[in-house]
Amino acid sequence: NAGVTQTPKFRILKIGQSMTLQCTQDMNHNYMYWYRQDPGMGLKLIYYSVGAGITDKGEVPNGYNVSRSTTEDFPLRLELAAPSQTSVYFCASSPNGRQDTEAFFGQGTRLTVV
Amino acid sequence: AQSVTQPDIHITVSEGASLELRCNYSYGATPYLFWYVQSPGQGLQLLLKYFSGDTLVQGIKGFEAEFKRSQSSFNLRKPSVHWSDAAEYFCAVGGSGGSYIPTFGRGTSLIVHP
Repeated sequence: NAGVTQTPKFRILKIGQSMTLQCTQDMNHNYMYWYRQDPGMGLKLIYYSVGAGITDKGEVPNGYNVSRSTTEDFPLRLELAAPSQTSVYFCASSPNGRQDTEAFFGQGTRLTVV
Repeated sequence: AQSVTQPDIHITVSEGASLELRCNYSYGATPYLFWYVQSPGQGLQLLLKYFSGDTLVQGIKGFEAEFKRSQSSFNLRKPSVHWSDAAEYFCAVGGSGGSYIPTFGRGTSLIVHP
């Protein structure tokens, strides 16, 4: 059972370049999330989705875009990469909107913008 | 708004010693609380969760946590730490308002000395 799969694992971007971080899950979960993790800052929510075709902003959405055309996939798009976007990005999913339900995480994408 | 505070950025213990990681939460109603562990280079994995019932919760890998409503705390404990427990630990509170958007603390890094 693959769970949540993120690609790539590592990437170096130049300032101003664009890229898409891929996330797919095979658990038929409705909820999906993108977080960024910076040292000593914990996890900050970028965007989330409660189902195919529905997305919403989280705490730190500026500089990012998402789409959710299928239940399985939730790609994160970076347009015009900036050094402030250097971070580790985690995709997560959960089956429903219940408060007692855990989130399942991918292994992360380490992005460096130079 | 809900929030989670992990006051310790780093904790250092010797192998075989006991461990307690602190977590305080702010939440308007009965909280749904989680502890996750992040091993180096990996995503987050659920250790345990609490949402009702017995205030002492058992988790995987020999961890337990105690919910204390009077202190707004959900501290994680382990009686004897192993070198493989070295990791980042995150406390989280489940979402409110019928939508599961978890809020994470900033994390505590556990260092284990031989």
